[in-house]
This record gives sequence, C-alpha cells and structure tokens, in this order.
Amino acid sequence: EAQVTQNPRYLITVTGKKLTVTCSQNMNHEYMSWYRQDPGLGLRQIYYSMNVEVTDKGDVPEGYKVSRKEKRNFPLILESPSPNQTSLYFCASSLIGLAGLNEQFFGPGTRLTVL
Amino acid sequence: SQQGEEDPQALSIQEGENATMNCSYKTSINNLQWYRQNSGRGLVHLILIRSNEREKHSGRLRVTLDTSKKSSSLLITASRAADTASYFCAMRSLVSNDMRFGAGTRLTVKP
Repeated sequence: EAQVTQNPRYLITVTGKKLTVTCSQNMNHEYMSWYRQDPGLGLRQIYYSMNVEVTDKGDVPEGYKVSRKEKRNFPLILESPSPNQTSLYFCASSLIGLAGLNEQFFGPGTRLTVL
Repeated sequence: SQQGEEDPQALSIQEGENATMNCSYKTSINNLQWYRQNSGRGLVHLILIRSNEREKHSGRLRVTLDTSKKSSSLLITASRAADTASYFCAMRSLVSNDMRFGAGTRLTVKP
C-alpha cells in the first residue's frame, strides 16, 4: 500500500531533550516536506527536500533540522525542543512532474507536546 | 507567513446544499491544490488546477482559478454529512519550490 508513515504518533517530552520524528514513504517520491499545524494558522512548511541530499528552508525552519540521506526517509530533528514547538506535525511527499509539484501524500501526523 | 487566505473561516449548511469556499493568494503560482482534513488527521488531496487552467471538475467538486485576481474557489455540490471537514488551498509559487497553505475553511454539513 502506497503510504507515508511517521513515528512516533504521539510524543510528550521536556524542554531541551533532543528528539527525532521519522518519516518514510514507499512511493519513490522525489519531494518530501515537513509541516506544522497550529490552531488558526493552517499548515506552515518547516523544511522540504527536492531529492536526496537537497534540502531547503520553508516558512518556519528555526529550531528544526532535517536530513535526506535516502530517498524514502526524511527525519525531522529538534535539537533542543522548546514549548513553542508544541504542535501537530505532518510529513508529506510528492512526485515532481513536468508542470511542477503533483499532489502531496500526507502522513497521519505526530502530536508533540514539549513541557 | 501564509501565502493563501481562505474565506469563509467557517461554513455551516444543510445536507443537499452547495458549499463554496474561496482562496486568495499573493504571488504568481505554478499550480493550486485543494486538500481536505478530517479532525486531527492527515490531509487528503482533492484536486489540482494548473495555472493555465480555469476550471476543473472531479465528481461533486468544481474548482475555478482566476490568475488575474489571484483567487480560486472550491464548490462542493449536493453536500453530505460526510463532507464535514476542514478544507485547505495550497500553492507553489513560480519562483520557489516551497508550498504555502491557507488557514482553511471549516465546513459543517448538518444532516
């Protein structure tokens, strides 16, 4: 089954404790992206990747890191989480077509609480 | 900052009625996409319209795009209670590869 998986689905942590949220897709998509969703703000893009070893900042990259060492995986790293990073996080992937980005496939989300 | 602005923020209708949601954006785009989200779940792609297209249909969905006004609309005809969800527009600009989403329209369809 074609899908985007994220782990963990729920995480409660404390300020300053490094964490990684994994994302994996099995559709051989070039484009992968991380978003955070906060009430009233919709989705805001954190980082995206056009292909292996190519990553770029989105709208709200501060406090986050990513890596794209393999095509299928795109982990999101919070080196020193803070309470303002409490949010619902989504990973997504997409093919890159001749006319640009195609539809994005989203993971189920990771609800992160930083105390 | 968000690229898209959606209105209304919330819409409540009776089953069988049509629902129209609007999206406006600021810069030139490559394409515009509409997504649906059930509460707290991942987004599901509904329809994509390219910058050189003006209208597109998919089942009960009709999307229009007016690049001169930098706006798009999503029409859901003959709505059902199962259409209750949040709907988001998303766009990729011509000058970058990032994706920007609107804040969404919360649609409630009453049976």
